[in-house]
Amino acid sequence: ETGVTQSPTHLIKTRGQQVTLRCSSQSGHNTVSWYQQALGQGPQFIFQYYREEENGRGNFPPRFSGLQFPNYSSELNVNALELDDSALYLCASSFRGLANYGYTFGSGTRLTVV
Amino acid sequence: AQKVTQAQTEISVVEKEDVTLDCVYETRDTTYYLFWYKQPPSGELVFLIRRNSFDEQNEISGRYSWNFQKSTSSFNFTITASQVVDSAVYFCALSEEEGSGTYKYIFGTGTRLKVLA
Repeated sequence: ETGVTQSPTHLIKTRGQQVTLRCSSQSGHNTVSWYQQALGQGPQFIFQYYREEENGRGNFPPRFSGLQFPNYSSELNVNALELDDSALYLCASSFRGLANYGYTFGSGTRLTVV
Repeated sequence: AQKVTQAQTEISVVEKEDVTLDCVYETRDTTYYLFWYKQPPSGELVFLIRRNSFDEQNEISGRYSWNFQKSTSSFNFTITASQVVDSAVYFCALSEEEGSGTYKYIFGTGTRLKVLA
C-alpha cells in the first residue's frame, strides 16, 4: 500500500501571492487533515476534510482553504501569503472512525514566503 | 484547555546510553488518546505508539518503552541502548475530538534527540 504523498516538496513564494499544495491520501483512507509546522514547533491543526467537506478547523484565518476530491486526494490553498506562513505543511490521512489509531503523515511541503 | 508539554528541547547522548523523553499533558476529557511520533530529517511524522486513557499498562517494543501515568498526566518514552539512527525530533501528541468523529492532534513542541557515535 502506498503512503501519503505530497507535492511539491519545496516552494518559494512572494508575500501576497497565492499557493496550492497537494496531497494524495494513503490507499483506503477517506479522511485528510492538514497541519502547519513552523520551524522549531510542533504541528498545528489547520483543518480536516471528509466526504469532500470541511468538518473541523483549527485557529487559522479563512485565507487558508482546502478541497477534497472524490478520490480522497486533497489541496490546501493559502491566499495573500504572509511571511509567517513560512512553514512545513503536513498532510495526514486516516480512515474515518479509526483516526484514534493514528494518522499516516506525508513528508510535507516546505513553503518559504519572501 | 488541552495542552502537551515537552520540556526537553534537545537531548544529546552517546550511543548505547538509555534516554527518556518526557511528556506532560492537560485535558478535560475522560477519554483521550496519546501518541508518540518520530520526525526524521526527511520531514514525515512516523507513528510510534498510541495509548488510550483507560490503558495504563506500560508497553515495550524492542528498544522502545513507554510509561503512562494518569496520576501525573505523563506519558514518557524511553529508548534503551540508543543508536545513531534514533537521532530525530520526537513529538508527543494528544487527540482531541472536535465533534462528529473529527479528531485533531495537539502536539508538543518536540524534543530533538542527538545520538553521538
